[in-house]
Amino acid sequence: DGGITQSPKYLFRKEGQNVTLSCEQNLNHDAMYWYRQDPGQGLRLIYYSQIVNDFQKGDIAEGYSVSREKKESFPLTVTSAQKNPTAFYLCASSITGINEQFFGPGTRLTVL
Amino acid sequence: AQSVTQLDSQVPVFEEAPVELRCNYSSSVSVYLFWYVQYPNQGLQLLLKYLSGSTLVKGINGFEAEFNKSQTSFHLRKPSVHISDTAEYFCAGGSSNTGKLIFGQGTTLQVKP
Repeated sequence: DGGITQSPKYLFRKEGQNVTLSCEQNLNHDAMYWYRQDPGQGLRLIYYSQIVNDFQKGDIAEGYSVSREKKESFPLTVTSAQKNPTAFYLCASSITGINEQFFGPGTRLTVL
Repeated sequence: AQSVTQLDSQVPVFEEAPVELRCNYSSSVSVYLFWYVQYPNQGLQLLLKYLSGSTLVKGINGFEAEFNKSQTSFHLRKPSVHISDTAEYFCAGGSSNTGKLIFGQGTTLQVKP
């Protein structure tokens, strides 16, 4: 089955530690995205990539980093510089930027 | 400015009643329009999309939406809701300027028995 996988579903980390969230897609999509979602708020774009080896900052990139070394993979690192990292993180992909985005199941990160 | 605006943050409705979730988009947003549903602790799932053609779009779970170019709206409707429709609903539009989707802030649909 084609789709997007995110792992793990739940992640706990101590304050000050970097953590990497995984996102893999087998849809052969060029574009991939990372969103952050907080309770009662909409989706906020962290980073996006429209092609391998290239990515752009979204609206809230501070404290986050990404890489896009392979078409199917777009990992997100939450660094210790992120002031309030506890949130629900969603990965998505699309054929092109303005087309339908397909979402993964999300990773809930809790920093203790 | 490019924007997608969902006019209601919360919509309470009784089971089996009709519902409309409102969405307006700015004229700079292209006419690729989408509605997504999100159940608690899950990712977003596409309900329906408008790319071109008929302005009335039918989606999954009995939902439909109407594209209205003159009013720059894309409201979501269902004639009779179920408890299981309780979820967060997001409207999104493709921005030809930025090459990305712009999401509205979401509408929480709460279906009461």
